[in-house]
Amino acid sequence: KNEVEQSPQNLTAQEGEFITINCSYSVGISALHWLQQHPGGGIVSLFMLSSGKKKHGRLIATINIQEKHSSLHITASHPRDSAVYICAVTGNQFYFGTGTSLTVIP
Amino acid sequence: DAEITQSPRHKITETGRQVTLACHQTWNHNNMFWYRQDLGHGLRLIHYSYGVHDTNKGEVSDGYSVSRSNTEDLPLTLESAASSQTSVYFCASSPGRGAFFGQGTRLTVV
Repeated sequence: KNEVEQSPQNLTAQEGEFITINCSYSVGISALHWLQQHPGGGIVSLFMLSSGKKKHGRLIATINIQEKHSSLHITASHPRDSAVYICAVTGNQFYFGTGTSLTVIP
Repeated sequence: DAEITQSPRHKITETGRQVTLACHQTWNHNNMFWYRQDLGHGLRLIHYSYGVHDTNKGEVSDGYSVSRSNTEDLPLTLESAASSQTSVYFCASSPGRGAFFGQGTRLTVV
């Protein structure tokens, strides 16, 4: 049983498309994180959420605490957005989803 | 600027050898974590520490150990490397909320 489930596992989009990645979790949390892992392997933290919505450039992250669900949206997707996106939650420890591999085609 | 660094970035070792992966952070965070990343499994927690002299086992701790003698460092030791431990290893530190990740160490056990 995974404490954090992401969907889809793989996603291919045309440049310019609006993209949504979903994350559901089953544990009590204090915060939810969206991480981005580039093909080179480095991981960067995109957002940390405990409620509501955050926006950074073309990226938007939302969380619904009651439904235990979060979404990451990418508007006007670009090939440089191609990466693995990982949802993680902080409860007693970090729990990670297996990631969504996004490929944006020019 | 504060940062978290892992070394080495790449390592090839033989089965049965002891290997230590270094993780050093300059934020003075109390919380530090080691993960391994394998295809199909995402990131899995190996060990974690909430402060000096505190260490805890994670989901996949067998065959690994850590020690925390100061705030900045959490070295990960493979006591007797096995081929199943071929993986990419990530270290992270956290002030309590949010996390910062190292660039990862790719370990191959042959």
